[in-house]
Formats: sequence, structure tokens, C-alpha cells
Amino acid sequence: GAVVSQHPSRVICKSGTSVKIECRSLDFQATTMFWYRQFPKQSLMLMATSNEGSKATYEQGVEKDKFLINHASLTLSTLTVTSAHPEDSSFYICSVTSIRDRGLDEQFFGPGTRLTVL
Amino acid sequence: RKEVEQDPGPFNVPEGATVAFNCTYSNSASQSFFWYRQDCRKEPKLLMSVYSSGNEDGRFTAQLNRASQYISLLIRDSKLSDSATYLCVVGSSGGYNKLIFGAGTRLAVHP
Repeated sequence: GAVVSQHPSRVICKSGTSVKIECRSLDFQATTMFWYRQFPKQSLMLMATSNEGSKATYEQGVEKDKFLINHASLTLSTLTVTSAHPEDSSFYICSVTSIRDRGLDEQFFGPGTRLTVL
Repeated sequence: RKEVEQDPGPFNVPEGATVAFNCTYSNSASQSFFWYRQDCRKEPKLLMSVYSSGNEDGRFTAQLNRASQYISLLIRDSKLSDSATYLCVVGSSGGYNKLIFGAGTRLAVHP
């Protein structure tokens, strides 16, 4: 079964509006979740690391005031794209991590949210 | 230079063929290595972790050469269902298990 869920799966909005995307860890408590963005025919790029109960850590070039992250509980992180513009249209994917055998972490990815800004 | 570089692809192969993907990474302090598979418009899914000793899972064999900072994936007896994009992924040496993704290599297996 799914380990991570995302909602909504697809959203179309007008330029200037804000969009909230939810990421839920279904199988275990996640103190850390990750948010990625993937443009067409490009690789996943890490946007930020979401830490439960503290501020998110953003990657270089990602505007923290534009992409608001809230990790209020051990099973939920939200990403809000504020004042969305067409260039923000992308596939947004979250992931959670768990420790596997040999101490290697595996990240489980949510099904993604496809955002289209008109 | 990109942190993780892969064969550009696409690879178009007939069913039953053996295909190999290569990947190099730039950070010698990288701690973990993976191959993920991503189907069109879907999220990536872990195919296999890559261990220093090399590892095999059915038709899939992964190799890691830390000295050359090189990772490979071999797929034997290709199936139509193997058609996807294969992502080479490296875990950074920093905290929080940060993953760095390659751009992916697209594989198309035809009858």
C-alpha cells in the first residue's frame, strides 16, 4: 500500500493565487520530509527539507517566502506556493525517509501534484 | 559539472536484450547510492540500492566503483514493462539524507 499520500493530485489555478499541497506519511512518523520539483524532461530538484516543529531548510535559489513549508505534525507537511505564476507550473513531489537494513535510508515518494498556473 | 551525470539516452532495445546504464557522481564523500525508476508523469520508485560489493535483484545488477565514482545498472532479458526512465541517485554526505538525482536515462523496449 501507499506509504505517502499527496493532495491534490492535480491543480489548475489562475496567476496570482496561492496553492497549498499536502503531504502525509501514512506508515510511520516522519520528522523529516522533502519537497522536490520536476520540470518536464528534467530531473527532480530538491527544493527544501521540512523539519517537524522547526523551520524548513531551503536549497539555494528557492525563495522561502514564495514556497511556504509547514511541518506541524509527524505525519503532515504542507507546501504553499504563494502568488503562483506560470513559471511555477511543475510537478511537485514530497518524500519521507526511513532507515532500512545496513543503515541505508530509503525515501518514499508521494504520487506528486501537478500544478498548472494559467 | 553536474553532481550526478547519466548516459543521455534514450535507449531503444528489443525485448530480450541486455542494456547497461552508467552514472558518475562528483562528490567523493557521498554515502549512499540508488537506482530509481520513474514512469511517465509518475513519482520515482526505488528499483534498488547499490552496495559497494555490487548487488543483484533478478534481472537487475547494480555495481558501484567508489574509486572511479561510477555506478552502473545492467538489465538482462529486457521486458516491455521495463520501459521507463531510470534515475541514478546519490545520497549526499550532509545531514537529512539529501538525495541528488541524475537527469535520468529513458529506456524504450520494443517487441
